[in-house]
Amino acid sequence: DAGITQSPRHKVTETGTPVTLRCHQTENHRYMYWYRQDPGHGLRLIHYSYGVKDTDKGEVSDGYSVSRSKTEDFLLTLESATSSQTSVYFCAIARDKTINTGELFFGEGSRLTVL
Amino acid sequence: GENVEQHPSTLSVQEGDSAVIKCTYSDSASNYFPWYKQELGKGPQLIIDIRSNVGEKKDQRIAVTLNKTAKHFSLHITETQPEDSAVYFCAAKIGGSGNTGKLIFGQGTTLQVKP
Repeated sequence: DAGITQSPRHKVTETGTPVTLRCHQTENHRYMYWYRQDPGHGLRLIHYSYGVKDTDKGEVSDGYSVSRSKTEDFLLTLESATSSQTSVYFCAIARDKTINTGELFFGEGSRLTVL
Repeated sequence: GENVEQHPSTLSVQEGDSAVIKCTYSDSASNYFPWYKQELGKGPQLIIDIRSNVGEKKDQRIAVTLNKTAKHFSLHITETQPEDSAVYFCAAKIGGSGNTGKLIFGQGTTLQVKP
């Protein structure tokens, strides 16, 4: 257990509304990631962070923004949700001591449905 | 861009039989290849990994092999049990990106072990 909490775990929203997903970690590691999981696509990286206020884009970043104002929290925002953003979103961390290994620890996921 | 292809997408075996899942990757600079298991409603969890300087690694009933020349790596599960039923993902660490811990995932394999 890497002390990762995602909220909300489930959300249904309407097209055009803003949505923010929160990832909270208790171990204060530098690296945090947001992935989305879709059938036939596996897990795809949306954005990641390597420290407070330090973020970068992943392979599917369009339509998403992130913020990291505190080490323990990494927020994913959909400014104007679309049906194509219906997905399960996973937050992950890499422990500082093992960043060289590449091992990630995942949260339990947030299921988002955009109607 | 970097890509990981995973096959098969579904696999059904009888309890006690072996299961093999195969992946290919495109980035020749990748040097770390983890395998994750995802149970229903949970986040993926690392089950085994291999580095590019090793050809094979074993942990009890699971083993991973790596062919760097062909850019192939495979997961082997022997003496399968019903609790092995899950979705399995292969991944490759994106090379040349420093220690960012970014992974590219395969599409996933749903393994069903029939009692």
